[in-house]
Amino acid sequence: DSGVTQTPKHLITATGQRVTLRCSPRSGDLSVYWYQQSLDQGLQFLIQYYNGEERAKGNILERFSAQQFPDLHSELNLSSLELGDSALYFCASSVAGASNTGELFFGEGSRLTVL
Amino acid sequence: GQSLEQPSEVTAVEGAIVQINCTYQTSGFYGLSWYQQHDGGAPTFLSYNGLDGLEETGRFSSFLSRSDSYGYLLLQELQMKDSASYFCAVREGQGFQKLVFGTGTRLLVSP
Repeated sequence: DSGVTQTPKHLITATGQRVTLRCSPRSGDLSVYWYQQSLDQGLQFLIQYYNGEERAKGNILERFSAQQFPDLHSELNLSSLELGDSALYFCASSVAGASNTGELFFGEGSRLTVL
Repeated sequence: GQSLEQPSEVTAVEGAIVQINCTYQTSGFYGLSWYQQHDGGAPTFLSYNGLDGLEETGRFSSFLSRSDSYGYLLLQELQMKDSASYFCAVREGQGFQKLVFGTGTRLLVSP
């Protein structure tokens, strides 16, 4: 157990809909990262927050948005969903930015299926 | 932009040694990490190289050559439970570095 909690674990929805994925980082971690992993693909970096502020952005679509709240939990909002958005979405956390050892702690992921 | 290349799949037998290579091109580089991911599971951290050379952690070792933009993960005394995907990741960017992952290498260990 990494200490990172993601909800929901599974989500099935239809094209055009909007969903929100939630992440609670490990106690004491200030940085939250979101990654997308499509079937048999690598981990695509989406976005990073540190202590409530956006710090780095990756290949995140305009239909996607995220935020980190004062209690440090984060939400990833996916809207106007398309079939291609079906993927495993991981949240990870670290004390600061990718830490001094490149170690991130990953949650178990939220599996999104768009029908 | 950044790119990290790894072989897509490697096969080996129990007890053997296997090496998974990773070459990278990145605009900024602050270290190379390795992660293991079992099917359907979360990636878990294995090792990190910030400087050139070999780092050893039990049966796993990782090597980095910054001049060659190259690293590898060495797994010894392979066990069936080592069957998983292995990702190299580059820590890049100044300040709050982000972690960019390679496409992953699927390791299949057979009896």
